[in-house]
Amino acid sequence: IQMTQSPSSLSASVGDSVTITCRASQDIDYYLAWFQQTPGKAPKSLIYDTSNLQSGVPSKFSGSGSGTTFTLTISSLQPEDFATYYCQQYDTYPHTFGHGTRLEI
Amino acid sequence: QVQLVESGGGVVQPGRSLRLSCAASGFTFHHYAMHWVRQAPGKGLEWVSVISYDGNDKYYADSVKGRFTISRDDSKSTLFLQMNSLRDDDTAIYYCARGPLGRYQFPVYWGQGTLVTVSS
Repeated sequence: IQMTQSPSSLSASVGDSVTITCRASQDIDYYLAWFQQTPGKAPKSLIYDTSNLQSGVPSKFSGSGSGTTFTLTISSLQPEDFATYYCQQYDTYPHTFGHGTRLEI
Repeated sequence: QVQLVESGGGVVQPGRSLRLSCAASGFTFHHYAMHWVRQAPGKGLEWVSVISYDGNDKYYADSVKGRFTISRDDSKSTLFLQMNSLRDDDTAIYYCARGPLGRYQFPVYWGQGTLVTVSS
């Protein structure tokens, strides 16, 4: 299953809200996760099952969608939110990641 | 707290082998599936492999199938990745990750990674 993220990069300002889209090449039901990665660090898990926040993740992050089209929305951007975001489908093996969306100030 | 510490990375020539380890602590290891995910320099994340909590089910990315083998030693709370016939494009940081309980698996907790460089 191919995962396509858009945009590949995005510029925004502190306080803005942004939305990242992830599209699957076939129906993955709601088996989609989102991850955040800052330079030089390991990825961090944000969301699973399309819209469920991992423990400790602030509610400024939200996910939605089903089937083949999914979105990650980040509200009230803070400096620590500027990172690269990846989606991953886990409906079918092999699991696959999107190519990432780099969120820049 | 959950801790995952990878080791075993290094520089290896093409065609040779390497075994990665991931020492786990802070949770009941044999209850959870475990994953390997890699990231080539400057590139995105690539899922590599997963092993079920009981070791009976293993899945691989097409790019490593037949060359890499995932395994676990529950007595030592350790995950392994045996990598054979290494190629230049296997150069990456390799992360181990713990999944959630349940059938549908995705990385929840991540280690800091170990760098594998395949070069002559």
